[in-house]
Amino acid sequence: ELKVEQNPLFLSMQEGKNYTIYCNYSTTSDRLYWYRQDPGKSLESLFVLLSNGAVKQEGRLMASLDTKARLSTLHITAAVHDLSATYFCAVDRTTSGTYKYIFGTGTRLKVLA
Amino acid sequence: DTEVTQTPKHLVMGMTNKKSLKCEQHMGHRAMYWYKQKAKKPPELMFVYSYEKLSINESVPSRFSPECPNSSLLNLHLHALQPEDSALYLCASSQTGTGNTEAFFGQGTRLTVV
Repeated sequence: ELKVEQNPLFLSMQEGKNYTIYCNYSTTSDRLYWYRQDPGKSLESLFVLLSNGAVKQEGRLMASLDTKARLSTLHITAAVHDLSATYFCAVDRTTSGTYKYIFGTGTRLKVLA
Repeated sequence: DTEVTQTPKHLVMGMTNKKSLKCEQHMGHRAMYWYKQKAKKPPELMFVYSYEKLSINESVPSRFSPECPNSSLLNLHLHALQPEDSALYLCASSQTGTGNTEAFFGQGTRLTVV
């Protein structure tokens, strides 16, 4: 069974600081996605990582994928209040042509002014 | 068009009611999903349709009945729900194949069972 775990589950950080969120998954997958969710809202796609060593950056966020370690990271640089949200990684597990999109446990980020 | 449209946005129903949630996409995606999300939890996969055929049912109770009338539409029929079924129901769609299977999510239906 595919398990996707994130840590930390909760993160409170000061504006201007850097931090990294980790996403570990239990079975082989070459495709990993990061999403943001604001309270009461749906999921907003942040990054698509499709191969080992993939690195994507958008603004203050940078995501990377190491498929051999089954690990993805989401790095936050110089955090600002607007980044406060819940961040999910999701792994796409394909079995015999059937797609199963499993989410990590989520990291609730609060950036303090 | 990268939009997945869900209706209604909010739904309040009694335990004896029958209602349906609707989802539509026009991106040509051949995989469509239903997720259930409780507060402060990750989305939980309920059903996956691949090429209009049900390919995954994650042991969902029979009071939830999915339907995929065509490649653009996905419905979730609800009957005799329980208060614990109150949640945000999310629909998503994605490409199939070996490339980018990024899932696009609708805005969700906030369901309250009374």
